Amino acid sequence: QVQLVESGGGVVQPGRSLRLSCAASGFSFSSYGMHWVRQAPGKGLEWVAVISYDRSHISYVDSVKGRFTISRDNSKNTLYLQMNSLRAEDTAVYYCANGRYCSGGRCYPEFDYWGQGTLVTVSS
Amino acid sequence: QSVLTQPPSASGAPGQRVTISCSGSSSNIGSNTVNWFQQFPGTAPKLLIYNNNQRPSGVPDRFSDSKSGTSASLAISGLQSEDEADYYCTTWDDSLNGWVFGGGTRLTVL
Repeated sequence: QVQLVESGGGVVQPGRSLRLSCAASGFSFSSYGMHWVRQAPGKGLEWVAVISYDRSHISYVDSVKGRFTISRDNSKNTLYLQMNSLRAEDTAVYYCANGRYCSGGRCYPEFDYWGQGTLVTVSS
Repeated sequence: QSVLTQPPSASGAPGQRVTISCSGSSSNIGSNTVNWFQQFPGTAPKLLIYNNNQRPSGVPDRFSDSKSGTSASLAISGLQSEDEADYYCTTWDDSLNGWVFGGGTRLTVL
């Protein structure tokens, strides 16, 4: 079955860096776009970034532009989020979720598969 | 605050029908389809509705959505105690070139 497993979260000081990973299995990862979505403690969902299946399209929420980089390694079925210059307001659970996939004239729903999330805490 | 506006709370008695609104603009809801999610505390969101009232396998037809102009609504009929959760709307925003979420609505089953 489909599995998305995030890792790499932890406690980090403001201004430092962290790299999150999302290991995918049970579906054709290399054919799907992928998202990162975060949720600050007690708050709502916030979309962070998306990457297309072939890396040709990448987009970020304004608050992380220039600091975060989304990438993927299709040979390893893994999605990444490199987070630099971290701020207290980046503290959140970070989820990966599937993005766009179209085949045979049909497009499958985005955000159908989610990982369990990994907690990033930015604090001195 | 969120680009999409949802009421912070909603409630209904078992068996009733409840609706949750999601208000946006011409660059998001007015131009794109809306997804709806259900989230229980401490768990990942679950996709409920996508692409104009389509439901993933396993989602009961008690859940439906509608859209008019720059607003969308999630309707839950035959309310059950297990429907008590947080609900979020999301869509693509052509101006921001990114996805936007509503602030979420906490549904209480009385």
